[in-house]
Amino acid sequence: AQSVTQPDIHITVSEGASLELRCNYSYGATPYLFWYVQSPGQGLQLLLKYFSGDTLVQGIKGFEAEFKRSQSSFNLRKPSVHWSDAAEYFCAVGAGADGLTFGKGTHLIIQP
Amino acid sequence: NAGVMQNPRHLVRRRGQEARLRCSPMKGHSHVYWYRQLPEEGLKFMVYLQKENIIDESGMPKERFSAEFPKEGPSILRIQQVVRGDSAAYFCASSWDRSSGNTIYFGEGSWLTVV
Repeated sequence: AQSVTQPDIHITVSEGASLELRCNYSYGATPYLFWYVQSPGQGLQLLLKYFSGDTLVQGIKGFEAEFKRSQSSFNLRKPSVHWSDAAEYFCAVGAGADGLTFGKGTHLIIQP
Repeated sequence: NAGVMQNPRHLVRRRGQEARLRCSPMKGHSHVYWYRQLPEEGLKFMVYLQKENIIDESGMPKERFSAEFPKEGPSILRIQQVVRGDSAAYFCASSWDRSSGNTIYFGEGSWLTVV
């Protein structure tokens, strides 16, 4: 069975500082990996996805993520965060017939 | 270029009433998924449907919950005799096909509050 672990429930970062959100997965085949962002009271917006090829994936809003098979990780990064990045971030694995399995999310707080 | 449309966005029901949540997938998508998000939790898969067929309902509670995706019209998630524990955000998503590499797009969610 597939599973996703986001070890950090809350992360606080100063505006302008760099960010890394951790995601570890377990999946029986080649993983399809996603990061979604959810603002309060809103739906999920896809930030980026990894299917194959280059292990460094660029997404929207200046985010990127790196797939590391040896570590079963797909960490999300941003070099300089903005106050508008404050939100809940979800890592997910699988898609289509397997359905998406989500982590429990990381709540990002931006300090001025 | 409408995305996944869900309605109502917010629904309040008294215990024992029925809740009906609707989802219109993105244009051209014939695969629909329902997820539930409880407070402080991630999203939990409930059911996967194609037109007129339930493909995987392994995440659906055995009682009171049902889902359909008729040939015409939106997908509907129905919760009968709601209880306080049903209060959650319910998200619908759709995709073009069922291959594992296909991206799933989410609606804005329907927030159910049971009082």
